Amino acid sequence: QVQLQESGPGLVKPSETLSLSCTVSGYSISSGYYWGWIRQPPGKGLEWIGSLYHSGTTYYNPPLRSRVTISVDTSKNQFSLKLRSVTAADTAIYYCARGARDVTVATFFDYWGQGTLVTVSS
Amino acid sequence: DIVMTQSPNSLAVSLGERATINCKSSQTVFYSSNNRNFLGWYQQKPGQPPKLLIYWASTRESGVPDRFSGSGSGTDFTLTISSLQAEDVAVYYCQQYYSTPLTFGGGTKVEI
Repeated sequence: QVQLQESGPGLVKPSETLSLSCTVSGYSISSGYYWGWIRQPPGKGLEWIGSLYHSGTTYYNPPLRSRVTISVDTSKNQFSLKLRSVTAADTAIYYCARGARDVTVATFFDYWGQGTLVTVSS
Repeated sequence: DIVMTQSPNSLAVSLGERATINCKSSQTVFYSSNNRNFLGWYQQKPGQPPKLLIYWASTRESGVPDRFSGSGSGTDFTLTISSLQAEDVAVYYCQQYYSTPLTFGGGTKVEI
């Protein structure tokens, strides 16, 4: 059974960098699929942040592209999210998820982490 | 970007009755080359991550009860819960995966 678990600080100061990791178990990231980050402001809808393939190929949502980096550490079977210069508008639950269709970023998501709330506040 | 618009924002349905949720995309999500609609549906209960229900607009994910069904093509799609159960109280989202950026609808809250 594929499982994903987000980890990282729950509180980040404005203008600093939000850093989260997603640890995958039950499947090797190196074996395939795109792995994504999706966020959800409290009480609001879902926003795709970006996705990564194990080779390092990445796709980002344009409004966030200048501030986002998604990277992979295959030795730890983890992938990570960095979001720079955060503001209160970046306060959200951050989910990591697996894209269900191999070799394409154009996919729905079949496995999700439980999510982690990140609050941006001084 | 493909904008996904769901309606209604919320609906109240009696137990055992039908619930119908609509999702409209700002451009087609149908690929003629493989005859498929790149549209998925998710269910999200409070405090939980989204759960995949339907993909390719009408294919139920393994383990999803058959009271959930998806239909539609092109730009107009529907998620139907044929006989609402108490455990179906949730927010439902559609998502297009025809092109990046991947986009979701705003959600429809289903209540008893």
